[in-house]
Amino acid sequence: NAGVMQNPRHLVRRRGQEARLRCSPMKGHSHVYWYRQLPEEGLKFMVYLQKENIIDESGMPKERFSAEFPKEGPSILRIQQVVRGDSAAYFCASSPAWGQGGTEAFFGQGTRLTVV
Amino acid sequence: AQTVTQSQPEMSVQEAETVTLSCTYDTSESNYYLFWYKQPPSRQMILVIRQEAYKQQNATENRFSVNFQKAAKSFSLKISDSQLGDTAMYFCAFAIQGAQKLVFGQGTRLTINP
Repeated sequence: NAGVMQNPRHLVRRRGQEARLRCSPMKGHSHVYWYRQLPEEGLKFMVYLQKENIIDESGMPKERFSAEFPKEGPSILRIQQVVRGDSAAYFCASSPAWGQGGTEAFFGQGTRLTVV
Repeated sequence: AQTVTQSQPEMSVQEAETVTLSCTYDTSESNYYLFWYKQPPSRQMILVIRQEAYKQQNATENRFSVNFQKAAKSFSLKISDSQLGDTAMYFCAFAIQGAQKLVFGQGTRLTINP
Protein backbone atom coordinates (compact mmCIF):
# COMPACT_ATOMS: atom_id res chain seq x y z
CA ASN A 1 0.00 0.00 0.00
CA ALA A 2 1.77 3.09 -1.22
CA GLY A 3 1.84 6.05 1.12
CA VAL A 4 0.72 9.57 0.39
CA MET A 5 2.45 10.66 -2.81
CA GLN A 6 3.29 14.26 -3.50
CA ASN A 7 4.89 15.68 -6.60
CA PRO A 8 7.01 17.36 -7.45
CA ARG A 9 9.36 17.13 -4.46
CA HIS A 10 10.96 20.41 -5.44
CA LEU A 11 9.47 23.21 -7.49
CA VAL A 12 11.10 26.47 -8.52
CA ARG A 13 8.96 29.28 -9.86
CA ARG A 14 9.67 32.87 -10.80
CA ARG A 15 7.62 35.60 -9.21
CA GLY A 16 4.28 35.94 -10.97
CA GLN A 17 4.15 32.35 -12.26
CA GLU A 18 1.70 29.68 -11.18
CA ALA A 19 2.56 26.72 -8.96
CA ARG A 20 0.62 23.45 -9.02
CA LEU A 21 1.25 20.92 -6.28
CA ARG A 22 -0.19 17.43 -6.52
CA CYS A 23 -1.16 14.94 -3.86
CA SER A 24 -2.38 11.36 -4.24
CA PRO A 25 -3.81 10.07 -0.96
CA MET A 26 -3.27 6.61 0.41
CA LYS A 27 -5.47 3.94 -1.08
CA GLY A 28 -8.83 3.92 0.62
CA HIS A 29 -8.46 7.41 2.05
CA SER A 30 -11.11 9.92 1.06
CA HIS A 31 -9.97 12.90 3.14
CA VAL A 32 -7.09 15.18 2.14
CA TYR A 33 -5.46 18.01 4.06
CA TRP A 34 -2.89 20.59 2.98
CA TYR A 35 -0.41 22.19 5.38
CA ARG A 36 2.30 24.79 4.87
CA GLN A 37 5.60 24.85 6.72
CA LEU A 38 7.68 28.01 6.69
CA PRO A 39 11.41 27.65 7.55
CA GLU A 40 12.02 26.81 11.21
CA GLU A 41 8.29 26.73 11.97
CA GLY A 42 5.63 24.12 12.56
CA LEU A 43 3.04 23.11 10.00
CA LYS A 44 0.04 25.39 9.55
CA PHE A 45 -3.29 24.00 8.38
CA MET A 46 -4.54 25.36 5.07
CA VAL A 47 -7.47 23.34 3.77
CA TYR A 48 -9.39 20.09 4.25
CA LEU A 49 -11.12 18.42 1.32
CA GLN A 50 -13.16 15.37 0.51
CA LYS A 51 -13.86 14.19 -3.01
CA GLU A 52 -15.35 17.14 -4.92
CA ASN A 53 -15.93 19.12 -1.70
CA ILE A 54 -14.02 21.69 0.30
CA ILE A 55 -14.88 21.03 3.93
CA ASP A 56 -12.71 23.57 5.75
CA GLU A 57 -10.60 26.26 4.09
CA SER A 58 -10.12 28.43 7.15
CA GLY A 59 -6.32 28.39 6.75
CA MET A 60 -6.20 29.35 3.09
CA PRO A 61 -5.08 32.84 2.13
CA LYS A 62 -8.01 34.71 0.63
CA GLU A 63 -6.31 35.43 -2.67
CA ARG A 64 -4.20 33.47 -5.15
CA PHE A 65 -4.58 30.11 -3.39
CA SER A 66 -7.06 27.41 -4.34
CA ALA A 67 -7.43 23.67 -3.80
CA GLU A 68 -9.44 20.90 -5.34
CA PHE A 69 -9.90 17.16 -4.94
CA PRO A 70 -11.71 15.92 -8.02
CA LYS A 71 -13.68 12.71 -8.31
CA GLU A 72 -10.82 11.23 -10.33
CA GLY A 73 -7.14 12.05 -9.91
CA PRO A 74 -5.01 13.72 -7.29
CA SER A 75 -5.73 16.70 -5.10
CA ILE A 76 -4.24 19.92 -6.45
CA LEU A 77 -3.05 22.95 -4.51
CA ARG A 78 -2.75 25.87 -6.89
CA ILE A 79 -0.94 29.12 -6.18
CA GLN A 80 -1.35 31.87 -8.74
CA GLN A 81 1.07 34.75 -9.24
CA VAL A 82 3.54 33.43 -6.70
CA VAL A 83 5.54 35.81 -4.50
CA ARG A 84 8.73 35.25 -2.49
CA GLY A 85 6.68 34.82 0.69
CA ASP A 86 5.06 31.69 -0.78
CA SER A 87 8.41 29.87 -0.55
CA ALA A 88 7.79 27.03 1.89
CA ALA A 89 7.31 23.29 2.19
CA TYR A 90 3.75 22.22 1.41
CA PHE A 91 2.58 18.97 2.93
CA CYS A 92 -0.39 16.86 2.05
CA ALA A 93 -1.94 14.37 4.45
CA SER A 94 -4.76 11.88 4.06
CA SER A 95 -6.99 9.92 6.38
CA PRO A 96 -9.80 7.39 6.14
CA ALA A 97 -13.39 8.45 6.36
CA TRP A 98 -14.68 9.47 9.76
CA GLY A 99 -15.27 6.57 12.05
CA GLN A 100 -12.32 4.64 10.67
CA GLY A 101 -9.09 5.44 12.45
CA GLY A 102 -10.15 8.64 14.13
CA THR A 103 -8.13 11.68 13.30
CA GLU A 104 -4.86 9.99 12.47
CA ALA A 105 -3.47 11.48 9.28
CA PHE A 106 -0.64 10.13 7.14
CA PHE A 107 1.67 12.66 5.56
CA GLY A 108 3.45 12.83 2.25
CA GLN A 109 7.06 13.95 1.94
CA GLY A 110 6.11 17.45 0.98
CA THR A 111 6.82 19.76 -1.94
CA ARG A 112 9.41 22.44 -1.38
CA LEU A 113 8.44 25.51 -3.35
CA THR A 114 11.09 28.12 -4.01
CA VAL A 115 10.09 31.42 -5.58
CA VAL A 116 12.95 33.30 -7.22
CA ALA B 1 -8.62 29.14 19.25
CA GLN B 2 -6.31 26.29 20.12
CA THR B 3 -2.58 26.86 20.57
CA VAL B 4 0.34 24.51 21.08
CA THR B 5 3.60 25.67 22.65
CA GLN B 6 6.94 23.91 22.63
CA SER B 7 9.30 25.89 24.82
CA GLN B 8 12.52 24.07 23.90
CA PRO B 9 13.76 25.11 20.43
CA GLU B 10 16.74 22.73 20.64
CA MET B 11 17.92 19.84 22.76
CA SER B 12 20.98 17.64 22.64
CA VAL B 13 21.75 14.42 24.53
CA GLN B 14 24.18 11.53 24.34
CA GLU B 15 23.22 8.25 22.79
CA ALA B 16 21.45 5.85 25.21
CA GLU B 17 20.35 8.69 27.49
CA THR B 18 16.73 9.54 28.25
CA VAL B 19 15.33 12.84 27.02
CA THR B 20 12.02 14.59 27.66
CA LEU B 21 10.48 17.09 25.26
CA SER B 22 7.90 19.54 26.62
CA CYS B 23 4.58 20.60 25.14
CA THR B 24 1.72 22.64 26.52
CA TYR B 25 -1.54 23.48 24.83
CA ASP B 26 -4.52 25.67 25.34
CA THR B 27 -8.11 24.72 24.59
CA SER B 28 -11.60 24.96 26.01
CA GLU B 29 -12.60 21.66 24.41
CA SER B 30 -12.93 18.50 26.47
CA ASN B 31 -12.64 15.89 23.71
CA TYR B 32 -9.46 16.01 21.70
CA TYR B 33 -6.36 14.14 20.59
CA LEU B 34 -2.69 14.90 21.11
CA PHE B 35 0.17 13.73 18.92
CA TRP B 36 3.91 13.76 18.65
CA TYR B 37 5.33 13.78 15.12
CA LYS B 38 8.94 13.29 14.12
CA GLN B 39 10.42 15.07 11.10
CA PRO B 40 13.89 13.77 10.15
CA PRO B 41 16.06 15.54 7.55
CA SER B 42 14.11 13.73 4.82
CA ARG B 43 11.20 16.02 5.80
CA GLN B 44 8.78 13.09 6.10
CA MET B 45 6.31 13.61 8.95
CA ILE B 46 6.16 10.42 11.00
CA LEU B 47 3.62 9.82 13.73
CA VAL B 48 5.44 8.80 16.91
CA ILE B 49 2.65 8.52 19.45
CA ARG B 50 -0.96 9.52 19.97
CA GLN B 51 -3.07 10.17 23.09
CA GLU B 52 -6.84 10.46 23.42
CA ALA B 53 -7.78 13.09 26.00
CA TYR B 54 -10.46 10.91 27.59
CA LYS B 55 -7.90 8.23 28.42
CA GLN B 56 -6.12 8.69 31.73
CA GLN B 57 -3.48 6.10 30.95
CA ASN B 58 -0.39 7.51 29.29
CA ALA B 59 0.33 6.17 25.80
CA THR B 60 3.48 4.13 25.20
CA GLU B 61 5.13 2.96 21.98
CA ASN B 62 8.32 1.00 22.60
CA ARG B 63 10.96 3.55 23.70
CA PHE B 64 8.52 6.46 23.43
CA SER B 65 6.08 7.39 26.16
CA VAL B 66 4.09 10.45 27.11
CA ASN B 67 3.24 12.20 30.35
CA PHE B 68 -0.26 13.56 29.80
CA GLN B 69 -1.44 15.99 32.46
CA LYS B 70 -4.91 17.08 31.36
CA ALA B 71 -5.54 19.60 34.12
CA ALA B 72 -2.21 21.27 33.46
CA LYS B 73 -2.68 20.96 29.68
CA SER B 74 0.74 19.40 29.39
CA PHE B 75 1.83 16.62 27.03
CA SER B 76 5.53 15.75 27.24
CA LEU B 77 7.35 13.08 25.24
CA LYS B 78 9.96 10.85 26.84
CA ILE B 79 12.45 9.00 24.67
CA SER B 80 14.30 6.25 26.50
CA ASP B 81 17.60 4.70 25.41
CA SER B 82 17.94 7.35 22.71
CA GLN B 83 19.43 6.32 19.37
CA LEU B 84 21.23 8.25 16.64
CA GLY B 85 18.21 7.70 14.40
CA ASP B 86 16.08 9.70 16.83
CA THR B 87 17.80 12.88 15.64
CA ALA B 88 15.02 14.98 14.11
CA MET B 89 12.59 17.82 14.62
CA TYR B 90 9.77 16.81 16.94
CA PHE B 91 6.38 18.47 16.72
CA CYS B 92 3.59 18.32 19.24
CA ALA B 93 0.13 18.58 17.68
CA PHE B 94 -3.48 18.86 18.79
CA ALA B 95 -6.79 18.02 17.14
CA ILE B 96 -10.34 18.51 18.34
CA GLN B 97 -12.35 15.31 18.08
CA GLY B 98 -14.07 15.30 14.72
CA ALA B 99 -12.38 18.49 13.47
CA GLN B 100 -9.94 16.55 11.35
CA LYS B 101 -7.24 19.21 11.34
CA LEU B 102 -4.04 19.45 13.36
CA VAL B 103 -2.62 22.43 15.23
CA PHE B 104 1.16 22.14 15.52
CA GLY B 105 3.71 23.58 17.89
CA GLN B 106 6.86 25.22 16.56
CA GLY B 107 8.98 22.14 17.09
CA THR B 108 12.02 21.02 19.07
CA ARG B 109 15.20 20.14 17.23
CA LEU B 110 16.62 17.05 18.96
CA THR B 111 20.19 15.92 18.34
CA ILE B 112 21.47 12.59 19.62
CA ASN B 113 25.25 12.60 19.90
CA PRO B 114 27.39 9.45 19.62
